[in-house]
Amino acid sequence: GQQVMQIPQYQHVQEGEDFTTYCNSSTTLSNIQWYKQRPGGHPVFLIQLVKSGEVKKQKRLTFQFGEAKKNSSLHITATQTTDVGTYFCAGPGAAGNKLTFGGGTRVLVKP
Amino acid sequence: DVKVTQSSRYLVKRTGEKVFLECVQDMDHENMFWYRQDPGLGLRLIYFSYDVKMKEKGDIPEGYSVSREKKERFSLILESASTNQTSMYLCASSFHRAGTEAFFGQGTRLTVV
Repeated sequence: GQQVMQIPQYQHVQEGEDFTTYCNSSTTLSNIQWYKQRPGGHPVFLIQLVKSGEVKKQKRLTFQFGEAKKNSSLHITATQTTDVGTYFCAGPGAAGNKLTFGGGTRVLVKP
Repeated sequence: DVKVTQSSRYLVKRTGEKVFLECVQDMDHENMFWYRQDPGLGLRLIYFSYDVKMKEKGDIPEGYSVSREKKERFSLILESASTNQTSMYLCASSFHRAGTEAFFGQGTRLTVV
């Protein structure tokens, strides 16, 4: 079945530094979604990418969808303590209903 | 605001008990999902439903069943709880068309002793 993998599993970042987390799917995706889960909270939708090569920005967050639509990345610039949490990517199944999540990247920020 | 409500935040059950986790959404979403979340394993899909009385197995359905008698309610059933089912359970819902965002409930932390 479809698999979605994320690396790294953990990311320790100094406040003010940049980092990138990567998402890879075993199958081509019609779209990819990113979610953020704060400690003690539930996943909250951040963004969706649909087109091959698409790049979207949300303030300090830059999301990219690969040309082959099998991978994606999230780049955070000038990390802040508010960025702490786990970031998940998710892709739909072939029928479009099933939503498969990656293992997540847990981000810890050192002040 | 979309609301997905799970019946319990914390639950402690004994091995062998039948356990019901309830989830209700108020946005008329067709799709509903049950995931479990364990450290290092991310969110793993147990079951999902795309319509009333319709269900499909996810990646880890063993030991679980589900029920969707009404559009707004999706129940996860542990037929005979075991200690390896101790986990955080998250319910989510979304519209039917592909690519729409999923909204999550606050989660139920289940401990089986």
